[in-house]
Amino acid sequence: SAVISQKPSRDICQRGTSLTIQCQVDSQVTMMFWYRQQPGQSLTLIATANQGSEATYESGFVIDKFPISRPNLTFSTLTVSNMSPEDSSIYLCSVVPGTRGEKTQYFGPGTRLLVL
Amino acid sequence: GENVEQHPSTLSVQEGDSAVIKCTYSDSASNYFPWYKQELGKRPQLIIDIRSNVGEKKDQRIAVTLNKTAKHFSLHITETQPEDSAVYFCAALKGEYGNKLVFGAGTILRVKS
Repeated sequence: SAVISQKPSRDICQRGTSLTIQCQVDSQVTMMFWYRQQPGQSLTLIATANQGSEATYESGFVIDKFPISRPNLTFSTLTVSNMSPEDSSIYLCSVVPGTRGEKTQYFGPGTRLLVL
Repeated sequence: GENVEQHPSTLSVQEGDSAVIKCTYSDSASNYFPWYKQELGKRPQLIIDIRSNVGEKKDQRIAVTLNKTAKHFSLHITETQPEDSAVYFCAALKGEYGNKLVFGAGTILRVKS
């Protein structure tokens, strides 16, 4: 498995501001994803971070609200824009390491966001 | 699209007893089913997974069974211990060639000592 880190680990933000979350992997990975986990809830996929092209967003999530970058095979960022208290959640990146055909996803430690 | 239902939402067992968590999925083309354990304040950790060409897989006290015809799969934990207390999530990989996981709602497992 890959070693995955996220920054920041937690933050408290004011409504209307934006926060950029970083996900760093210690090795090149084929797939990277961003999830949201609202308090006491399950994990919901926000988007697939595509290296060198625009992210693929799931229904209910849009690029203007959650812009994503993936400049290389080991790094991605998720920005939560124009935040409101409803954006208070844990944001997790996940990766599929290794070779083509691998399916197992491993999660980063998460970023705990509280919006006041 | 894929939909995954998970039951029960909470499960309390006595230490040493077995625990069973069940999930059903809707997309017959799904072919990969992982289980994650999430302790309070921690990241989800993969504990076991199964592919559609296998009916059962075991790893020490943990086993997963898959019934493709009925489109359901189950997690079995035997000889439960207090450290098994956590939230467990099942998931299904969306579509035959997909790479997107759809998660169940989660089961809070409490092991009482």
